[in-house]
Amino acid sequence: EDQVTQSPEALRLQEGESSSLNCSYTVSGLRGLFWYRQDPGKGPEFLFTLYSAGEEKEKERLKATITKKESFLHITAPKPEDSATYLCAVQARQGAQKLVFGQGTRLTINP
Amino acid sequence: DAGVTQSPTHLIKTRGQQVTLRCSPKSGHDTVSWYQQALGQGPQFIFQYYEEEERQRGNFPDRFSGHQFPNYSSELNVNALLLGDSALYLCASSVRGGTLHFGNGTRLTVT
Repeated sequence: EDQVTQSPEALRLQEGESSSLNCSYTVSGLRGLFWYRQDPGKGPEFLFTLYSAGEEKEKERLKATITKKESFLHITAPKPEDSATYLCAVQARQGAQKLVFGQGTRLTINP
Repeated sequence: DAGVTQSPTHLIKTRGQQVTLRCSPKSGHDTVSWYQQALGQGPQFIFQYYEEEERQRGNFPDRFSGHQFPNYSSELNVNALLLGDSALYLCASSVRGGTLHFGNGTRLTVT
């Protein structure tokens, strides 16, 4: 069964303090690993797709990386507006487009 | 360009009642998926519709049913509501095989 575990559950940082969020996954043939950002009361907003080990994607202060078992979302010099819940999800190669999500990491950046 | 729109935004129902939630996909998208997100959890896949047919289903009982219309919009129906059905219901649209884009959801409260 496909499974995603994210850690930590919650993380508080000071503005400018860089850190990383972890996503451990097991999947029967990876089609893609996805990172989404979710603000309170909103739907998830797409950030990145990673397809194979060694791939990296960047967007502003965020960089996503992936190995065969884990993905990391690195946040460099974060700002208060980066505060949100970050969700990781996997999509298997077989079957339709179902995403299996982790429980998310709730990130708070204090000014 | 309107994104994924869902209605209503909030809904309060009583145990045993039935509810219908609606979703209009992003322009150009032909596939609609529904997810249930309990408080503090990641979204869980309910089912996916493509070409007006249910293509894949998650681990949800038959009380959950859906429909896709010729204009690609979709409905989610839940019968015999239970307290545990209280959640944020998310609709996501995509082109077949593409990235899922989410709406802001319908917050359902069952009392």
